[in-house]
Amino acid sequence: AQKITQTQPGMFVQEKEAVTLDCTYDTSDPSYGLFWYKQPSSGEMIFLIYQGSYDQQNATEGRYSLNFQKARKSANLVISASQLGDSAMYFCAMREGPRGSTLGRLYFGRGTQLTVWP
Amino acid sequence: GAVVSQHPSRVICKSGTSVKIECRSLDFQATTMFWYRQFPKQSLMLMATSNEGSKATYEQGVEKDKFLINHASLTLSTLTVTSAHPEDSSFYICSARAAGAEKLFFGSGTQLSVL
Repeated sequence: AQKITQTQPGMFVQEKEAVTLDCTYDTSDPSYGLFWYKQPSSGEMIFLIYQGSYDQQNATEGRYSLNFQKARKSANLVISASQLGDSAMYFCAMREGPRGSTLGRLYFGRGTQLTVWP
Repeated sequence: GAVVSQHPSRVICKSGTSVKIECRSLDFQATTMFWYRQFPKQSLMLMATSNEGSKATYEQGVEKDKFLINHASLTLSTLTVTSAHPEDSSFYICSARAAGAEKLFFGSGTQLSVL
């Protein structure tokens, strides 16, 4: 079974609008971490935001926020006030195991291609 | 922030030759490094996990004799694609993490094309 599911292959949003990128995950481990990365056409992976399974509050990093719904196993990324430079592929990822575990490796979803138009 | 340097960014080689890709953590000690492979428009697939000073752990289906990983120091891991074939053409990307840290920092990737 897929550990990370991103159901939106592509999303379009107008500049300055907010957009939500969906991510659901599957794990039986009580301790896990959820990540979002951005991959522009240059190929590098840029870390955006992190949410730990025991974190009480939703993570926020500037214009990025993570809508963490533990019971539904979803970790949607919300980008507020979209900018043209936000156009990129966005990947949701999960790490199973305790925080900082050397055994923990990331499982990635298939990604969502976000296009921001003027 | 932490920086991971990956070289080369692009390499073209003939079938049957070997190619070495380097991944360096520039301002932190990377006790664990990961090597991923990515096909166009697809997700990242983990190939192997390497811990400094020990043998790499390969994911199922990844040939350890073909993809040689060396993590000889806390700042350097290398991936060598031996006897490369056209089907090995792909985007390879490394990532590194300091001990106990949560974030993974990624290199900028290497586009390998085997003719």
